[in-house]
Amino acid sequence: AQSVTQLDSHVSVSEGTPVLLRCNYSSSYSPSLFWYVQHPNKGLQLLLKYTSAATLVKGINGFEAEFKKSETSFHLTKPSAHMSDAAEYFCVVSEPTGANSKLTFGKGITLSVRP
Amino acid sequence: DVKVTQSSRYLVKRTGEKVFLECVQDMDHENMFWYRQDPGLGLRLIYFSYDVKMKEKGDIPEGYSVSREKKERFSLILESASTNQTSMYLCASSPPGRYTDTQYFGPGTRLTVL
Repeated sequence: AQSVTQLDSHVSVSEGTPVLLRCNYSSSYSPSLFWYVQHPNKGLQLLLKYTSAATLVKGINGFEAEFKKSETSFHLTKPSAHMSDAAEYFCVVSEPTGANSKLTFGKGITLSVRP
Repeated sequence: DVKVTQSSRYLVKRTGEKVFLECVQDMDHENMFWYRQDPGLGLRLIYFSYDVKMKEKGDIPEGYSVSREKKERFSLILESASTNQTSMYLCASSPPGRYTDTQYFGPGTRLTVL
């Protein structure tokens, strides 16, 4: 069975400072990994996706994540936070089920950005 | 762009009522999913469907059922709503296959059961 651990439930940064949102996963397979973002009162939007190509994945809005198999981690980073980055972020692992796949979500991290 | 729409953004129902949540996608996706989202618990999978008239239980199917009569539409049914089903419900769709597994989400329906 697969699982995702997001140890931090809430992260607060100042505008213009780096963002680090941590994610660790467990999977019996070579996983696909995702980060989704949810802004207040909005649906989930895909930020980026890792599918066994380059270990450093670039996403939208300046975010990127690095897949580290030895650490079973897929942390999300951004060099400089913007006020519009305030949202909830979900790390997700995908496991194949037959010809399709099933997603398992972490519990989410609320990112606050201080002016 | 993929568009997933849900019939209501906000819904208030009474305990014991039968509730229908509708989801429609316009990208001809085979796969459709229903999740509920609760603070501190992330998203949990209720039911999913890989084809018309096909359904599979997710992690928390108790108290729910689903219907998929047409490829583009996936309905979640609460046969007798209870207060512990107050939650945000999210629908998603995706193309088939284990390597094209990005899911596209609707805006969600916030259901309150009184």
